[in-house]
Amino acid sequence: GAGVSQSPSNKVTEKGKDVELRCDPISGHTALYWYRQRLGQGLEFLIYFQGNSAPDKSGLPSDRFSAERTGESVSTLTIQRTQQEDSAVYLCASRPRLGGRSNEQFFGPGTRLTVL
Amino acid sequence: TQLLEQSPQFLSIQEGENLTVYCNSSSVFSSLQWYRQEPGEGPVLLVTVVTGGEVKKLKRLTFQFGDARKDSSLHITAAQPGDTGLYLCAGAGGTSYGKLTFGQGTILTVHP
Repeated sequence: GAGVSQSPSNKVTEKGKDVELRCDPISGHTALYWYRQRLGQGLEFLIYFQGNSAPDKSGLPSDRFSAERTGESVSTLTIQRTQQEDSAVYLCASRPRLGGRSNEQFFGPGTRLTVL
Repeated sequence: TQLLEQSPQFLSIQEGENLTVYCNSSSVFSSLQWYRQEPGEGPVLLVTVVTGGEVKKLKRLTFQFGDARKDSSLHITAAQPGDTGLYLCAGAGGTSYGKLTFGQGTILTVHP
């Protein structure tokens, strides 16, 4: 498949543990975004990557959250010392290029994180 | 900070009825998008509106962008059970890299 993929699809963890969420964007997409979505709600921006740099990290909720990207491919979102309020679906999106009028982002299916 | 207020949050209607979802802001957006999301999946783009006053139609769905590019609406005619899902509006503006500001979403349920 040529879409955005995310793994794992579901993650259940205990409070205080660290988790890593993975995103594989569409090949050739230079821009990558991470969002958080609480149940039945809209998407909350977390971080934006252009290539492997992150010019906008303004949405990361705390210093327990961090993300990396390897070149223009895989990105990993890490949450350290998870808390119950971190429970949500974490969505990744990629975009082929900047500019243009569409601004369309292509979303993965998300990782549902549950912190017990 | 740009904010988008989306309403209503929940909508439960019978098959065949019409409905409208609204998205409002005090900020101007360069473009506005509508997405539909089904359980367990990521949002999928329905339409992008760019020009103030623009109206786009997608079968039974009509999208409108306000003249001032601060608000938008989605109207569905003769809703069907297959229209059930979470509808999200998202505005782009204020950055050069397409950062989107999402509304809270409207959960639509169409009963047969």
